[in-house]
This record gives sequence, structure tokens and C-alpha cells, in this order.
Amino acid sequence: TQLLEQSPQFLSIQEGENLTVYCNSSSVFSSLQWYRQEPGEGPVLLVTVVTGGEVKKLKRLTFQFGDARKDSSLHITAAQPGDTGLYLCAGVMVGAQKLVFGQGTRLTINP
Amino acid sequence: EAQVTQNPRYLITVTGKKLTVTCSQNMNHEYMSWYRQDPGLGLRQIYYSMNVEVTDKGDVPEGYKVSRKEKRNFPLILESPSPNQTSLYFCASSPNQVGTQYFGPGTRLTVL
Repeated sequence: TQLLEQSPQFLSIQEGENLTVYCNSSSVFSSLQWYRQEPGEGPVLLVTVVTGGEVKKLKRLTFQFGDARKDSSLHITAAQPGDTGLYLCAGVMVGAQKLVFGQGTRLTINP
Repeated sequence: EAQVTQNPRYLITVTGKKLTVTCSQNMNHEYMSWYRQDPGLGLRQIYYSMNVEVTDKGDVPEGYKVSRKEKRNFPLILESPSPNQTSLYFCASSPNQVGTQYFGPGTRLTVL
């Protein structure tokens, strides 16, 4: 059983479309990180959110931490082929000193 | 350039033949860890190290060993590899256990 469930697991859309991927849990997290992994490379941190309700923007990517700190979303506006990759969320559970990863969302943006 | 390096990047071996995957970081991070990545399962932690000579089991430690004799190096040892250890392996370093993880490029291991 995954502590962090990501959905969808696979997503293939056309260039220019918008999309949202989700990272959900029944547990409360003190912080949540989002990584992107491109083929042949290791994951790279995109953003960390720490406050319930927090919204962070990175160009066309918008990250939100749920008010109850149990979930997060990543919204991409006008997706580009360069956004293709595996998106991973990772969270630190309240009271724990351990980072747990979701299973990832594999995103493909078709030209 | 700040980086985590792993070697080899690709390895095909046979059951039972001992192997070592090296990992080195140049960021003076105290915390290092090994993960394996399998389809549908995400990243699962194998072992981690809080500092030199301090290592501990992660979520899937069976069949693996590690050592941390120097701060920069954290090799992963498979004493007797089996086919179920075929996977993509990542080494990561971080200033602490819950901070930003800096990943190496990965080692794709196939055990026949």
C-alpha cells in the first residue's frame, strides 16, 4: 500500500493542453516535494510546499498543497513537449523523519 | 559542479556474482541513500546513511549491503544477486533526511 497515491499513473496529451496530476494520502504531511525525472536521468526537485493551502508557481507549472496537508496537485498550463517526464511527489509525514515517494505520473506531451 | 555520480550506469550480470555499484557526491552532504525504482512502485529506499560509519535499513534492504567509510562515498553491494534485483538504482545525497534529495543518474542492473 502506497502512503502517497499519485493519479493518473499515465497521461498522454497534445501540446498546448492543460493538465493536472494529483498526489493524495490519508496521512498528514509536514512538507511535500515534487520532482521531475527525465529519461536516463535521476529525479530533480521542482518545488517544496510546506504550508496548508500554499500555492507555488514555476513558469507554467502550479503546485498546490491541500489545506489539510494530506494532498497536493500539479497543474501544467499549455503543456510543451519539454514537460514530458515522470513526475514524483514525496512527502515527510508529521512526526517522522523520513521521505516517502509516490509511484509517479508518467506524462507524455505529443507535438 | 555539484553532483552525484554512480558507476556503472548499466550492468548485466548473472545470478550469484557479487557486484558493487559506486556512488560519490561532492556536496559534503551528511545524508546519503540508495533507492530502487520499479514500474508502478515508485522509488523505494534500500539503505541510508546519516553520516560516516552510520548506516541503517530502508524499506527493502534484503539482499543488499552498504558501507560509509568516507563522507563522499556510499557503495551498494549485492553479495549474491538474484533476478528479482533487476531494477533501476539511484543513489541520492542530501543535507538531511527530509531535505532536497540530489540524485545520481541511475544504474540499470539486469540479473540473469
